Amino acid sequence: NAGVTQTPKFQVLKTGQSMTLQCAQDMNHNSMYWYRQDPGMGLRLIYYSASEGTTDKGEVPNGYNVSRLNKREFSLRLESAAPSQTSVYFCASSDGRGDEQYFGPGTRLTVT
Amino acid sequence: EDKVVQSPLSLVVHEGDTVTLNCSYEVTNFRSLLWYKQEKKAPTFLFMLTSSGIEKKSGRLSSILDKKELSSILNITATQTGDSAIYLCAVESLYNFNKFYFGSGTKLNVKP
Repeated sequence: NAGVTQTPKFQVLKTGQSMTLQCAQDMNHNSMYWYRQDPGMGLRLIYYSASEGTTDKGEVPNGYNVSRLNKREFSLRLESAAPSQTSVYFCASSDGRGDEQYFGPGTRLTVT
Repeated sequence: EDKVVQSPLSLVVHEGDTVTLNCSYEVTNFRSLLWYKQEKKAPTFLFMLTSSGIEKKSGRLSSILDKKELSSILNITATQTGDSAIYLCAVESLYNFNKFYFGSGTKLNVKP
């Protein structure tokens, strides 16, 4: 089992460019999440998907969109990147019954 | 708005010391509190505490939930350099089932 995988690991964008971060899990989990982590800020929830076909906003959704492509995959899109979106992005999944979350290795994004 | 506060923000100790990390929360209709350890990359799960499971222990780590004080502590005894990490606390409410709010973390540095 690979667990939760994310691509890419690193990315540098210029202001205004767009990109999609990919996430996949092979644990048959119902729920998937996108977080961002900034220094001294802990993890902040961007969007989550409680089950296939549903998505909901988290604490900091502005500037992002998500797609729950199927049960395995949950992507995060930045339509027009801004320097304030420079961060480390983590995808996570859980079985949806309030259990622990399993995290991917993260994507380090820099927007110049 | 749901809120999770961890203290201290950072801590430096020597091997063999005992440390206590704190997490306090303001969450409507509390459901669960989780502790994670984050070394260089993704957070890894330590404990989950609920109304029916207010104390957990694993080796040198233990955690207690105080529902009256709306807080939890994570104790690490006989610390080792491998305990150096950021410790994150996350809380879930019944109103936002499966949606977790994270604190900013406590950075622990254990010196030889």
